[in-house]
Amino acid sequence: AQSVTQLDSQVPVFEEAPVELRCNYSSSVSVYLFWYVQYPNQGLQLLLKYLSGSTLVESINGFEAEFNKSQTSFHLRKPSVHISDTAEYFCAVRGGNTPLVFGKGTRLSVIA
Amino acid sequence: EPEVTQTPSHQVTQMGQEVILRCVPISNHLYFYWYRQILGQKVEFLVSFYNNEISEKSEIFDDQFSVERPDGSNFTLKIRSTKLEDSAMYFCASSPPGLRGTDTQYFGPGTRLTVL
Repeated sequence: AQSVTQLDSQVPVFEEAPVELRCNYSSSVSVYLFWYVQYPNQGLQLLLKYLSGSTLVESINGFEAEFNKSQTSFHLRKPSVHISDTAEYFCAVRGGNTPLVFGKGTRLSVIA
Repeated sequence: EPEVTQTPSHQVTQMGQEVILRCVPISNHLYFYWYRQILGQKVEFLVSFYNNEISEKSEIFDDQFSVERPDGSNFTLKIRSTKLEDSAMYFCASSPPGLRGTDTQYFGPGTRLTVL
């Protein structure tokens, strides 16, 4: 079975500052890793995913995450955040054919 | 861009009543899912559905729950006799054909169910 831990429930950050949202997972099998974002009153949208290959994956809006197998982590980073990045971010893991397992989410609040 | 839609956005019901939550997945998708999120807790998997049958379900998905794809476009979740602890946001998702482990799941906006 897989599990996901998002260590921070809320992260306030000033606009144009860098941010890191932490995600750790546990699994006895190889995993696929995902970050989903939920903007207010909207559904979950895929931000980026790691399936195989390069451990650094990027999204189109400047976020990136790095798969670190030894530390069982998949932290999400952005070098400079915008007000529009304010949202809830969910880390999720899937092992083979198992269902997606989500973390509790991190609420990112960007302050002007 | 095609998207998953869910109705209603908010459902209020009395304990013991039956509710049906509706979802319209993306049209060429073949895998369908329900998840729920109790306030302040994790998004939890309930059930997956493929080829007109349940392919996987969690411990949460007991006999009070059922799913159906009645007409080739809608995908419904029925709770026969709601309990207070069923109050949650329910998310529908769908994914296209392909290797299940790698498919992106596309989520709807959710239905907030409140059981009084």
